[in-house]
Amino acid sequence: AQKVTQAQTEISVVEKEDVTLDCVYETRDTTYYLFWYKQPPSGELVFLIRRNSFDEQNEISGRYSWNFQKSTSSFNFTITASQVVDSAVYFCALSYHSGGSNYKLTFGKGTLLTVNP
Amino acid sequence: DGGITQSPKYLFRKEGQNVTLSCEQNLNHDAMYWYRQDPGQGLRLIYYSQIVNDFQKGDIAEGYSVSREKKESFPLTVTSAQKNPTAFYLCASSTWTGIDGYTFGSGTRLTVV
Repeated sequence: AQKVTQAQTEISVVEKEDVTLDCVYETRDTTYYLFWYKQPPSGELVFLIRRNSFDEQNEISGRYSWNFQKSTSSFNFTITASQVVDSAVYFCALSYHSGGSNYKLTFGKGTLLTVNP
Repeated sequence: DGGITQSPKYLFRKEGQNVTLSCEQNLNHDAMYWYRQDPGQGLRLIYYSQIVNDFQKGDIAEGYSVSREKKESFPLTVTSAQKNPTAFYLCASSTWTGIDGYTFGSGTRLTVV
């Protein structure tokens, strides 16, 4: 079965602190994709990153960085020097082969990040 | 600009009434999806469609119905059979395989009173 676990339900930090959002996944597939989405108060899910199962290189994009470790089935997301605008719900998702040529996304329950000024 | 439009943003309905949520995309995506979001529950898949005139049940399809008469449109009807319809509903679209992930609309918040 495919499963994504985000153990942190809520995190609260003060502006300029670094924060890491955890994501652990389960899958029997050898080919799969991992995603992070941001959901600001407006409601729309905004794509942040996609990673395939064969690429374990860490990635950095500005203040955002992602650490993918297949050995621990984790895909953690770190925000450096957090800002109030980073306040949102963050979802980790796993794309798995669901039959035929279709890949479906399964989501974790999300982590609500609040950055206080 | 290409994107997904969901309307309305807020919807109020009386218990026992059917209600239809609109979802339109101009991304030329083949596949479209409906998700339901409840506080602390993440996103759960209701229905999805990879091609016109074909759709499949997701994990929580009971009490919902969909149609896919046009590639651009994938309306969701919340029927009176849905026991707890009050929720936030998100529509998404993707390429046919979905391998690149999904593009989401801004959602419709449905409140049944």
